[in-house]
Amino acid sequence: KQEVTQIPAALSVPEGENLVLNCSFTDSAIYNLQWFRQDPGKGLTSLLLIQSSQREQTSGRLNASLDKSSGRSTLYIAASQPGDSATYLCAVKGGSYIPTFGRGTSLIVHP
Amino acid sequence: EAGVAQSPRYKIIEKRQSVAFWCNPISGHATLYWYQQILGQGPKLLIQFQNNGVVDDSQLPKDRFSAERLKGVDSTLKIQPAKLEDSAVYLCASSRPPSNTGELFFGEGSRLTVL
Repeated sequence: KQEVTQIPAALSVPEGENLVLNCSFTDSAIYNLQWFRQDPGKGLTSLLLIQSSQREQTSGRLNASLDKSSGRSTLYIAASQPGDSATYLCAVKGGSYIPTFGRGTSLIVHP
Repeated sequence: EAGVAQSPRYKIIEKRQSVAFWCNPISGHATLYWYQQILGQGPKLLIQFQNNGVVDDSQLPKDRFSAERLKGVDSTLKIQPAKLEDSAVYLCASSRPPSNTGELFFGEGSRLTVL
């Protein structure tokens, strides 16, 4: 059974810092990994999707990498802004095409 | 393209009552998921449909939860009777083909409070 862990659980940083959020998974036989953002009281918004054959994906200030052999993905946020404050979740899609989620990293960026 | 639609957004019920949530996925998305998200936790899969067939419902509490996806389009999740621990956000998601590599898209969720 796939298990997904996200570290740290919470993070509070001043505006402008570069951040790294971590996602690890136990079964490396995956199809893809997807990073989401969740604002309070809202659904999940897709940020980046990395297929198993890819090593990284970039969108604006966000960069996600994937290392299947070590069971890890990182989400890099450059020059953080208060508007980046949210919970960040990763989901790993493996056998039976079932996406399994971590518990998320709660991020606060203060001015 | 219209997103995943869910209703109602909020529902408050007494324990032992019943409730139903509705989801309309993005047009053309064959795979539909229902997740339960308890406050402070990541989403937990309840059931996955491929068209109108069930792919996985191993974590669905079948004594009180049921779900259907008639005609392979919209879906309904029902809870009867509700318990206090069912208080959560119920998220619906759909995925474009192919099922193994398709990106997930979520609705806004339905927040359930059981008193």
